[in-house]
Amino acid sequence: EPEVTQTPSHQVTQMGQEVILRCVPISNHLYFYWYRQILGQKVEFLVSFYNNEISEKSEIFDDQFSVERPDGSNFTLKIRSTKLEDSAMYFCASSGLQGAQGEKLFFGSGTQLSVL
Amino acid sequence: GENVEQHPSTLSVQEGDSAVIKCTYSDSASNYFPWYKQELGKRPQLIIDIRSNVGEKKDQRIAVTLNKTAKHFSLHITETQPEDSAVYFCAASIEGDKLIFGTGTRLQVFP
Repeated sequence: EPEVTQTPSHQVTQMGQEVILRCVPISNHLYFYWYRQILGQKVEFLVSFYNNEISEKSEIFDDQFSVERPDGSNFTLKIRSTKLEDSAMYFCASSGLQGAQGEKLFFGSGTQLSVL
Repeated sequence: GENVEQHPSTLSVQEGDSAVIKCTYSDSASNYFPWYKQELGKRPQLIIDIRSNVGEKKDQRIAVTLNKTAKHFSLHITETQPEDSAVYFCAASIEGDKLIFGTGTRLQVFP
């Protein structure tokens, strides 16, 4: 069964450093998302991406965050200057065409980001 | 925007008993309601979903019910097993839009 893959599984960084989290969505999917989950809390929406542009973003997704789909397969989340409160598990997700099955969201295995 | 509340936050049951988790949503335009199971340190896995044109859906030991008028939906697990132990999240979305998750329910099934 196709899966969303994410790398790295763990990332440790110093406060103020830039990090890039990488994702390879399921190949025929068109809608891409980043969510995050602070330890013990709910999964929170960050940003959605469709047709090579951001379609929606949450208030968490401030100017320090950016997303990119640099080629036909990768989908990245960049945090320019990390803060302690950015420490969380970051999940990439993708879904297919809109319609009867299109909104089923498939999650990657996550990147645990620790900001020291 | 949409807000999803979920209860209870923790639920302990004996193996073989039933478990019920309830969620309410605020946006009447929401029309898609999935449930995810998350084991410790793992990704959320979709276990069942329901659309607003359906009142109930079953898949073996799992069922979901939806009351659009009251804006609430519930997950029912029958004949629980220890491997059902996990955190369960409900979510709501307007079709094709982002998912808004509930706060999660930690289910423990004791042998």
